Amino acid sequence: GDSVTQMEGPVTLSEEAFLTINCTYTATGYPSLFWYVQYPGEGLQLLLKATKADDKGSNKGFEATYRKETTSFHLEKGSVQVSDSAVYFCALSEASGTYKYIFGTGTRLKVLA
Amino acid sequence: DSGVTQTPKHLITATGQRVTLRCSPRSGDLSVYWYQQSLDQGLQFLIQYYNGEERAKGNILERFSAQQFPDLHSELNLSSLELGDSALYFCASSGPSGRAYEQFFGPGTRLTVL
Repeated sequence: GDSVTQMEGPVTLSEEAFLTINCTYTATGYPSLFWYVQYPGEGLQLLLKATKADDKGSNKGFEATYRKETTSFHLEKGSVQVSDSAVYFCALSEASGTYKYIFGTGTRLKVLA
Repeated sequence: DSGVTQTPKHLITATGQRVTLRCSPRSGDLSVYWYQQSLDQGLQFLIQYYNGEERAKGNILERFSAQQFPDLHSELNLSSLELGDSALYFCASSGPSGRAYEQFFGPGTRLTVL
């Protein structure tokens, strides 16, 4: 079945450092891909999305490109802030049928001032 | 604010009991999804309803059931609760078509089983 693999955390960075969180997927068809963020004590918020190959999703300085050839959707940010500290989830939505989400395990990011 | 509401925010109960979690989707959304977030299992899809009908089941235990009402709100019923059922339960909704380009998540209900 479909699956999402994320890099293990936690990831600890200094403020203004470059961030990459790796995400790869296995899917039949052409799923949509998402990054969600969960701040402490809160629910999941959509960070960005891409619905087809070579699409680039971006929001709040974060970017991710849908790479079909490498089945990847890595999250990047050029300069992280303390306020970016959260758990980041990569997810795919099935290409057909129910469109339910399959989530990666989540990567905790801690940014130090 | 995603527009998805969930009640209650916290629930503490004992083993063997039954609880009901409630979710109201965003206005206009026809699909409701339930997910369980636990430390050992991560975020797991439980069940989906579309316009009142069950569309898909995931890793949902037989002790759990759900339904979606004519006004599109949904309830997740958990019975014969066990310690391992302690988790965050999220509801999400998506748009008027069956295709979920994007799901909007509620704030979750934290269930603690003692």
